[in-house]
Amino acid sequence: QVQLVQSGGEVKKPGASVRVSCRTSGYTYTAYAINWVRQAPGQGLEWMGRISVDNGDTKFSQKVQGRLTITTDMSTTTVHMDLRSLRSDDTAVYYCARSWNPLGDYFDSWGQGTLVSVSS
Amino acid sequence: DIVLTQSPGTLSLSPGERATLSCRASQTVKNNFLAWYQQKPGQAPRLLIYGASNRATGIPDRFSGSGSGTDFTLTISRLEPEDFAVYYCHQYSNSPPDTFGQGTKLEIK
Repeated sequence: QVQLVQSGGEVKKPGASVRVSCRTSGYTYTAYAINWVRQAPGQGLEWMGRISVDNGDTKFSQKVQGRLTITTDMSTTTVHMDLRSLRSDDTAVYYCARSWNPLGDYFDSWGQGTLVSVSS
Repeated sequence: DIVLTQSPGTLSLSPGERATLSCRASQTVKNNFLAWYQQKPGQAPRLLIYGASNRATGIPDRFSGSGSGTDFTLTISRLEPEDFAVYYCHQYSNSPPDTFGQGTKLEIK
């Protein structure tokens, strides 16, 4: 079955960087895109960006453009999200989610979420 | 960017009742590229509906989606206890960026 398993929670100081990983299994890795969606405490969902796994093409929201990098590791079918220059308002649960059409599609499978806390 | 506005913010109903949730877009959602998700506390969202009206795999038929253009609706015909959760709409027609509504909390009356 399709599985997206994320790395564990992180605690970071303002200005630091964080990497969250999403290990996938149960489907053809290159046939889907992986998106990153975050949810601040008690808030709604915010799309951050995605990667087309087959060609590495990435798209980002304007809010995180310049601070977010998304990469793929074919050997481990894992997608990594790196967020730099962390601020307190980056505190959130980060989800990876699969979509089929790299131009935009619904998210049919989600990771379990990774809590990133940013605090001095 | 397309702004999605969900209403009501909170809906208080009893098991067995019918729930109607609304999602209005600031501009036309082309191809009806609109999805609905359910999220329970401490869990990831779960896909319910895609393409405005198509149920995802394994979703009970008491869930249905309708609408087009700028106005979309999620209907739960007879509420079960496990349906009380937060529901989000998501447009993927004008991507990037994808955008979500702010959510509707469905609570037990």
